[in-house]
Amino acid sequence: EVQLVESGGGSVKPGGSLTLSCADSGFTGFTVTNAWMAWVRQAPGKGLEWVGRIASRSDGETTEYAAPVKGRFTISRDDSKNMLFLQMNSLKTEDTAMYYCTTVGNPAFFRQWGQGTQLTVSS
Amino acid sequence: VVTQEPSFSVSPGGTVTLTCGLSSGSVSSSYYPSWYQQTPGQAPRTLIYSTNSRSSGVPDRFSGSILGNKAALTITGARADDESHYYCALYVLSGIWVFGGGTKLTVL
Repeated sequence: EVQLVESGGGSVKPGGSLTLSCADSGFTGFTVTNAWMAWVRQAPGKGLEWVGRIASRSDGETTEYAAPVKGRFTISRDDSKNMLFLQMNSLKTEDTAMYYCTTVGNPAFFRQWGQGTQLTVSS
Repeated sequence: VVTQEPSFSVSPGGTVTLTCGLSSGSVSSSYYPSWYQQTPGQAPRTLIYSTNSRSSGVPDRFSGSILGNKAALTITGARADDESHYYCALYVLSGIWVFGGGTKLTVL
């Protein structure tokens, strides 16, 4: 059973940076290595918002981002460690949210979800 | 913009259809509509993908379709534990998704 575990959340001041991590504690070496991965966030009391995605290594590890985070957030992966990352720079108060990592199923859906890690951006 | 009804209610045992549309244009299967259920404090759960395929472990009370110009999620035999928020997502461009605002379903 795939289990995604996010970490790295916390409180940051506006303009600051933080990196979130996502580890697959299920099938070692399979899930992250062979799958497209994505980050989805949810601001307090709000709906789900797609943040971005990274393709698998075999698909070139290309990335795409939602407009509100483009140029500030970077998704990367380390398949040797079965890890996914979300580097966040120039953080804004509106980035405050629960951040979920997900595997991307074929075709084009969010298959497995982690439990999320909370980011709070506040002065 | 992806549109969903903000709220809906259904009686226990009843049937309800939630929809997912586009503010401009029609939703078709080429958008690979997917549906997610979320209860407060929990991570989302995948229900339906590629319009009408059920995710592993999802009961057949949940079904997806295209109705007119929208994607639809139909729940039959509604139960108290179906009371949740339901979100649709559309694959709008290569590698880009947009979620709807979600529907809060009340079972009463």
